[in-house]
Amino acid sequence: GAGVSQSPRYKVAKRGQDVALRCDPISGHVSLFWYQQALGQGPEFLTYFQNEAQLDKSGLPSDRFFAERPEGSVSTLKIQRTQQEDSAVYLCASTASSTVNYGYTFGSGTRLTVV
Amino acid sequence: KQEVTQIPAALSVPEGENLVLNCSFTDSAIYNLQWFRQDPGKGLTSLLLIQSSQREQTSGRLNASLDKSSGRSTLYIAASQPGDSATYLCAVISGNQFYFGTGTSLTVIP
Repeated sequence: GAGVSQSPRYKVAKRGQDVALRCDPISGHVSLFWYQQALGQGPEFLTYFQNEAQLDKSGLPSDRFFAERPEGSVSTLKIQRTQQEDSAVYLCASTASSTVNYGYTFGSGTRLTVV
Repeated sequence: KQEVTQIPAALSVPEGENLVLNCSFTDSAIYNLQWFRQDPGKGLTSLLLIQSSQREQTSGRLNASLDKSSGRSTLYIAASQPGDSATYLCAVISGNQFYFGTGTSLTVIP
């Protein structure tokens, strides 16, 4: 597609509910990143894929967070047993480069609200 | 760990004024630096990308500079317009990820 597409745009979850957030990167893009942006803060790194390989997941805040990219294209970020502190905008970014020193295209994000 | 700071946190200027946004980072070992714009409820729009070997980039009314040795970047906006109102984020790439500042919220008053 023309850009990075994320769905849903908005998600309201009850505390304890599981959620799945989807990212469709630009077709052919090798590298994919997930970021978490809390209200009034800059985005913070969660995890990084190169094709289907998850090369870095050091930013995932707890074992309730899980990301996958099984076929090297679409990625899903799953959050189990959501907590109020998980409320944030989740941003996905992709790049055609297999190295990280080039610019990226970001999606519009999924705003997750846990009530 | 790389830390990125943006000053000021908020800025309000009358239309037509030139302005400068500041960004500083603690580790000079970066691949590049990128300035983004974020409108309320929206994702990030890339404005300017400066490679680590470059000192500045220009696009229209925007000019971004990079001084790696001092860990600083500035974004200069000329002849500001109400449509420039947004949050401006500075991000450096080092290691295998972006490190973002907390942004400068800009309001341009007609």
